[in-house]
Amino acid sequence: GDSVTQMEGPVTLSEEAFLTINCTYTATGYPSLFWYVQYPGEGLQLLLKATKADDKGSNKGFEATYRKETTSFHLEKGSVQVSDSAVYFCALNAGGFKTIFGAGTRLFVKA
Amino acid sequence: DTAVSQTPKYLVTQMGNDKSIKCEQNLGHDTMYWYKQDSKKFLKIMFSYNNKELIINETVPNRFSPKSPDKAHLNLHINSLELGDSAVYFCASSQDIQETQYFGPGTRLLVL
Repeated sequence: GDSVTQMEGPVTLSEEAFLTINCTYTATGYPSLFWYVQYPGEGLQLLLKATKADDKGSNKGFEATYRKETTSFHLEKGSVQVSDSAVYFCALNAGGFKTIFGAGTRLFVKA
Repeated sequence: DTAVSQTPKYLVTQMGNDKSIKCEQNLGHDTMYWYKQDSKKFLKIMFSYNNKELIINETVPNRFSPKSPDKAHLNLHINSLELGDSAVYFCASSQDIQETQYFGPGTRLLVL
C-alpha cells in the first residue's frame, strides 16, 4: 500500500542554519505530495505541495521538489528562524480516499 | 472567519462517560475528516465523509460514531470512554479527496 517515510526527529538547529527534512514515498500511480506544518497547540496547515514530477513547491522560504526517480520530496530551507520551530509532516494522496501522512519531524530552532 | 472550527477545545472526563465533539467548516468543502493524534504526534485517519456519506471508516472501535447532519458539519460521538482514547482529535475538510486539507484547532481529550 501507499506509505510515507520521513526522517525521525527531533532536529535541532541554530538560527540561520540550513534545514533538510527527508521524505520518501511509496505509491501506485502519480500521487500529489504535500508538506504540512503544525505549530505548538495548533492544527496542521499546508506549507507547500506539488502535483506532478519535477514540480517544485515553495512557501515562506521552504522548498521541496517532486522527484519521481528517487520517490522523494525533501523539505529544505536556506536559513531557519526560531519561529520555524514546529512539527513537519510529509503526506501523499494517490487518488484514493485518504491522504497518507508521515510520522512527523519535530524541529527546534535555537536563537 | 474561522475556516474549520471545533468545540470544545479541551475535554476532561471520567472513564465510562459519553462525550461529543463538534466540527463545522465554512469553506463550502464536500469532504470532511476526523483524525486522532497521539502524544508522539502520529496522525491517524479515523473517518471521512463526502457529501454527507461515509467513505472511510478505518479500524476504529464502534464506540466512535461520526454523524454528518449536513455538508458543513461532522460531529464525533464517543461512548464508554477509555483511558486510551486520550489524544488530540482534529477535524479537517477539503474540496476534493486529493486536495489540500484544512484542519481545525483540535480538541484535547483527557480521560481520567
